[in-house]
Amino acid sequence: EDQVTQSPEALRLQEGESSSLNCSYTVSGLRGLFWYRQDPGKGPEFLFTLYSAGEEKEKERLKATLTKKESFLHITAPKPEDSATYLCAVSKNAGGTSYGKLTFGQGTILTVHP
Amino acid sequence: GAVVSQHPSWVICKSGTSVKIECRSLDFQATTMFWYRQFPKQSLMLMATSNEGSKATYEQGVEKDKFLINHASLTLSTLTVTSAHPEDSSFYICSARARDRRNQPQHFGDGTRLSIL
Repeated sequence: EDQVTQSPEALRLQEGESSSLNCSYTVSGLRGLFWYRQDPGKGPEFLFTLYSAGEEKEKERLKATLTKKESFLHITAPKPEDSATYLCAVSKNAGGTSYGKLTFGQGTILTVHP
Repeated sequence: GAVVSQHPSWVICKSGTSVKIECRSLDFQATTMFWYRQFPKQSLMLMATSNEGSKATYEQGVEKDKFLINHASLTLSTLTVTSAHPEDSSFYICSARARDRRNQPQHFGDGTRLSIL
């Protein structure tokens, strides 16, 4: 069974204090790993897609990396506006009705204090 | 960027009422849309995959007669919660993937908060 586990469940940082969020996954035939940001009462906002081990992507203060078993979302010098829930999801190589389905982790709630 | 619109954003209604939620892709055609449910402080759980012009595919444990899905056009999918009860109260979110971009990520609507009294 496909599983996605995120840690920590919650993370409190001071503004400027860099850290990393972890996403461990078990899936047969990974097609892609996705990072989303979700603000309270809103739908997830797409951040990154990673397809193969060793791949890295950056956007402003965020950098996502991927290995064969996990992904990290590094946050450099975070600001209060980075506070949100960060969700990790995987899709697998599957045809038919399974194509494109995402399995989400439970998320990491990030709070950045000024 | 891609925009997915969901309506309404908030619904409060009495037990036994049926509620329809719309999901529209505003600037692209979506052959596939997905419907999720999210309980407080929990992650998104896929309910069903909606394919334009064909029957929806439901995840295990989701009652297809309870949650009716219609995907009649390339820009609109609807989820109808029939005879809703308090246990159906949740945050319902749709997502869509562009027609000719199967490797592109899903883009999500802003969700519908459903409260059944």
